[in-house]
Amino acid sequence: GNSVTQMEGPVTLSEEAFLTINCTYTATGYPSLFWYVQYPGEGLQLLLKATKADDKGSNKGFEATYRKETTSFHLEKGSVQVSDSAVYFCAVGANSKLTFGKGITLSVRP
Amino acid sequence: DTGVSQDPRHKITKRGQNVTFRCDPISEHNRLYWYRQTLGQGPEFLTYFQNEAQLEKSRLLSDRFSAERPKGSFSTLEIQRTEQGDSAMYLCASSLFLSVLATSTDTQYFGPGTRLTVL
Repeated sequence: GNSVTQMEGPVTLSEEAFLTINCTYTATGYPSLFWYVQYPGEGLQLLLKATKADDKGSNKGFEATYRKETTSFHLEKGSVQVSDSAVYFCAVGANSKLTFGKGITLSVRP
Repeated sequence: DTGVSQDPRHKITKRGQNVTFRCDPISEHNRLYWYRQTLGQGPEFLTYFQNEAQLEKSRLLSDRFSAERPKGSFSTLEIQRTEQGDSAMYLCASSLFLSVLATSTDTQYFGPGTRLTVL
């Protein structure tokens, strides 16, 4: 079946630092790739997505590029803010289902 | 714009009791999904519907679990004879599926979840 591997957490950064969260996947066919975010006390929210190889998803300063050759979808942001503190989930979508990674907790300190 | 809603938000029950959760999807969405999330893990797929039809069930969904979507709108997830291992967050999501010819997975929008604690 499909699977997603996210880097181990948690991650703690200072405000305005550069963020990279690694995500690799295994899937058959032509999956779509997603990043979801869960802020404290809230439900899962879609952050960005990419539907085919070399597509770049972006939202709120976050970016991720669908790399088929390395089966990766790493999340990046150039300058994090305290309000970005949350749990981030990478997911692969195939056959109408989402398969999620374990998630990683990001804490940004002022 | 009303998102996905779930009821109740929290449920505490004793082992062996039956529980039922409700999910109301975004109104124009024809697909509805159930996931389960345990502490420190990502959500795991349980089942999904397109309109009234239940199209797939995960092997995680034991015989004690049943889901329905009788009129193609809201859905219920029932757990019979609950066990302590059923304690988890139960998430509902919905999406708009347009065509079997679509090459990408439709985007799923999640509700706030129902947290179940089995004592």
